[in-house]
Amino acid sequence: AQSVTQLDSQVPVFEEAPVELRCNYSSSVSVYLFWYVQYPNQGLQLLLKYLSGSTLVKGINGFEAEFNKSQTSFHLRKPSVHISDTAEYFCAVSVGGANNLFFGTGTRLTVIP
Amino acid sequence: DVKVTQSSRYLVKRTGEKVFLECVQDMDHENMFWYRQDPGLGLRLIYFSYDVKMKEKGDIPEGYSVSREKKERFSLILESASTNQTSMYLCASRPTGLSYEQYFGPGTRLTVT
Repeated sequence: AQSVTQLDSQVPVFEEAPVELRCNYSSSVSVYLFWYVQYPNQGLQLLLKYLSGSTLVKGINGFEAEFNKSQTSFHLRKPSVHISDTAEYFCAVSVGGANNLFFGTGTRLTVIP
Repeated sequence: DVKVTQSSRYLVKRTGEKVFLECVQDMDHENMFWYRQDPGLGLRLIYFSYDVKMKEKGDIPEGYSVSREKKERFSLILESASTNQTSMYLCASRPTGLSYEQYFGPGTRLTVT
């Protein structure tokens, strides 16, 4: 079975500091990787995705992620966070082009003023 | 913009009631999904549908059924609601194709008392 691991359930960080949210997956076949963000009382919104090509992917709101095949990781980064980045972040994997996604358990990012 | 709407943001039902959660998408997507979201567990797939009248079980289908009579509408049915079905329910849709992400609705927070 596929699995997605988000090691940190909560990440507090001061405003304007950098942040990295970690994601590891288990799969030996080709994968498509996604990061979603969920603001309070809202649905999920796509931040960025990796399908193929360059391993560094840039998304919305200044976020980026790097696909590392050897470490089966897809960590999300932002060089300087804002209060408005406070939200829950989910990593997701699609295996072999399947229709459904496997989600991690989420990381709650709290930006401290 | 893709729009996925869900019939209710908040719903309170009694144990044993039959509950219908409705989801509508306006972008002619073939695939639609129902997830439940619980703290610490992330999103878990209940059912998905890849075409009208077609459905596939996800990871946690027990206690649920679905209906897809029209392409734009995907309904989740709790035949006899129980307290352990208190959760956030998220609907999503996506077109067929390898590179497409899922688009989410705002969610329905269901409380079963």
